[in-house]
Amino acid sequence: AQSVTQPDIHITVSEGASLELRCNYSYGATPYLFWYVQSPGQGLQLLLKYFSGDTLVQGIKGFEAEFKRSQSSFNLRKPSVHWSDAAEYFCAVGTLSDYKLSFGAGTTVTVRA
Amino acid sequence: DVKVTQSSRYLVKRTGEKVFLECVQDMDHENMFWYRQDPGLGLRLIYFSYDVKMKEKGDIPEGYSVSREKKERFSLILESASTNQTSMYLCASSSVPGQISGYTFGSGTRLTVV
Repeated sequence: AQSVTQPDIHITVSEGASLELRCNYSYGATPYLFWYVQSPGQGLQLLLKYFSGDTLVQGIKGFEAEFKRSQSSFNLRKPSVHWSDAAEYFCAVGTLSDYKLSFGAGTTVTVRA
Repeated sequence: DVKVTQSSRYLVKRTGEKVFLECVQDMDHENMFWYRQDPGLGLRLIYFSYDVKMKEKGDIPEGYSVSREKKERFSLILESASTNQTSMYLCASSSVPGQISGYTFGSGTRLTVV
């Protein structure tokens, strides 16, 4: 079965600084990869997804993610963080052999002024 | 846009009560899911359904059941609520195949069992 690891439980970043969130997956074939964001008290919103093709994927809210097959990683980045980016971020992986997405444990981002 | 609506944002129930959590989606999605979210554990799948009256157990189905009588509605049932079921419950839906299209989530129901 596939698995997803988000090594960082909590990250604090200054407003205007860059942000990178790490995601590693374990699966033999090419997975379908997703990043979701959850604002406090809300459900999850899809930021971006990767299926194939260009390994650098652009998403909403100025986020991007890069798929690196050799490292089994799909890291999320934002060049300049805004206070509204404070949230919890989840990486997820899916495969054609299963209905379900598997989610990482999440990374909480705190933005300081 | 697809909308997934969970009927309650906050619920407080007593131990032993039968609890119903309702979820409705408005885009004719085949797949629907119930997750619970706990700090440090991420999202854990309780049950999912890929068609009306069809259901499959997820990773943590114990203490829960589900009902899908209509395509747009997927209900999670706590037969006899216990304090360890205090959690955030998230409903999601997807078209087929959801593992490619991704899920659309509701806003969640925060359940407290006292």
